[in-house]
Amino acid sequence: NAGVTQTPKFRVLKTGQSMTLLCAQDMNHEYMYWYRQDPGMGLRLIHYSVGEGTTAKGEVPDGYNVSRLKKQNFLLGLESAAPSQTSVYFCASRRDGGSNTEAFFGQGTRLTVV
Amino acid sequence: EDKVVQSPLSLVVHEGDTVTLNCSYEVTNFRSLLWYKQEKKAPTFLFMLTSSGIEKKSGRLSSILDKKELFSILNITATQTGDSAVYLCAVSNDYKLSFGAGTTVTVRA
Repeated sequence: NAGVTQTPKFRVLKTGQSMTLLCAQDMNHEYMYWYRQDPGMGLRLIHYSVGEGTTAKGEVPDGYNVSRLKKQNFLLGLESAAPSQTSVYFCASRRDGGSNTEAFFGQGTRLTVV
Repeated sequence: EDKVVQSPLSLVVHEGDTVTLNCSYEVTNFRSLLWYKQEKKAPTFLFMLTSSGIEKKSGRLSSILDKKELFSILNITATQTGDSAVYLCAVSNDYKLSFGAGTTVTVRA
């Protein structure tokens, strides 16, 4: 049982390049989340999804887009990377919001924008 | 806007000490409060609290929630060097899971 898998684990981008981070979960969870983690700032919510075909903005959505075309996958896109997007990105999934269940995390993607 | 505030932001203790971490919150449609431990990689789940006054325990760790005063505490007794980590508090409403900045705990031998 793989749980939550993030691809890639590391990436270096040049300013202005684009990329997509993939999050895949095999637990049939409805809810999925993308966070970024910067030193001293905990996990800040970028975007989230409460089911296939739905997405919503979190607290720091600017510069990112997401898609949830399949229930098991949640994609995070950077259209034109900036040095301020250098961070560690975590994806998480949860069965749903109403059943009070824990969220499971992927191992993270370390992104550096130069 | 939802808020989760953890204190202190960091602390250093010696093995055997007891640690108390605080988490206060403001969130609409509160559902649950969760504690996670993070050691360099992905956060790992510790506790979920939904009701006031009911203590959750796991070994040397325990946690309690006060829904009237909107806070939770996480206690670690008889600390060990393996307890060194960032402890994250998160609050859930119907949809979102919002985290605090975390408390970095360093346990010295």
